Amino acid sequence: GQNIDQPTEMTATEGAIVQINCTYQTSGFNGLFWYQQHAGEAPTFLSYNVLDGLEEKGRFSSFLSRSKGYSYLLLKELQMKDSASYLCAGMDSNYQLIWGAGTKLIIKP
Amino acid sequence: IAGITQAPTSQILAAGRRMTLRCTQDMRHNAMYWYRQDLGLGLRLIHYSNTAGTTGKGEVPDGYSVSRANTDDFPLTLASAVPSQTSVYFCASSDGVGTDTQYFGPGTRLTVL
Repeated sequence: GQNIDQPTEMTATEGAIVQINCTYQTSGFNGLFWYQQHAGEAPTFLSYNVLDGLEEKGRFSSFLSRSKGYSYLLLKELQMKDSASYLCAGMDSNYQLIWGAGTKLIIKP
Repeated sequence: IAGITQAPTSQILAAGRRMTLRCTQDMRHNAMYWYRQDLGLGLRLIHYSNTAGTTGKGEVPDGYSVSRANTDDFPLTLASAVPSQTSVYFCASSDGVGTDTQYFGPGTRLTVL
């Protein structure tokens, strides 16, 4: 079956670094997406990885290991506005997204 | 540019009633999607459309129907609502199919009693 696993909730301190992990099992693989979703709002795109390695985009970076079925999202210099849920989604061979339940990130001052 | 709009924002519906959720995009995107989001679960694809005039079934299509008469609009209809269809519904669109980024509307919160 197809499955995306990520932690339910994480807590971090303002100014710190946090890593949100995601493991995936999909029928075929066409890349891994990360989205951010603030409470009561729509998901918004953060990153897409299809090749192994680290993609850096400002304070956010995303890593992929295809051989391990593993990805992580790294958030640096945390700000209070980063409090949100982070959704991991794998794209299968039919180009459909399989979504994890999301990781709720709580930032404390 | 509004992007994607959805209506209504929220709705309380009696079981057995028919309901259409509206979705309109102004980005001229070819592909559109309907998802539902339930607490503790990931987004689940209900139906999709790769281009105007075509539709397909996603992971959880039962009890829902869609149409795609033109590029901009992609309504989702619940023919006879049941309480298990209580959820937050998101419409999304992408320029093409495949790995193009999906952009989401603000969502419709639906409660079926």
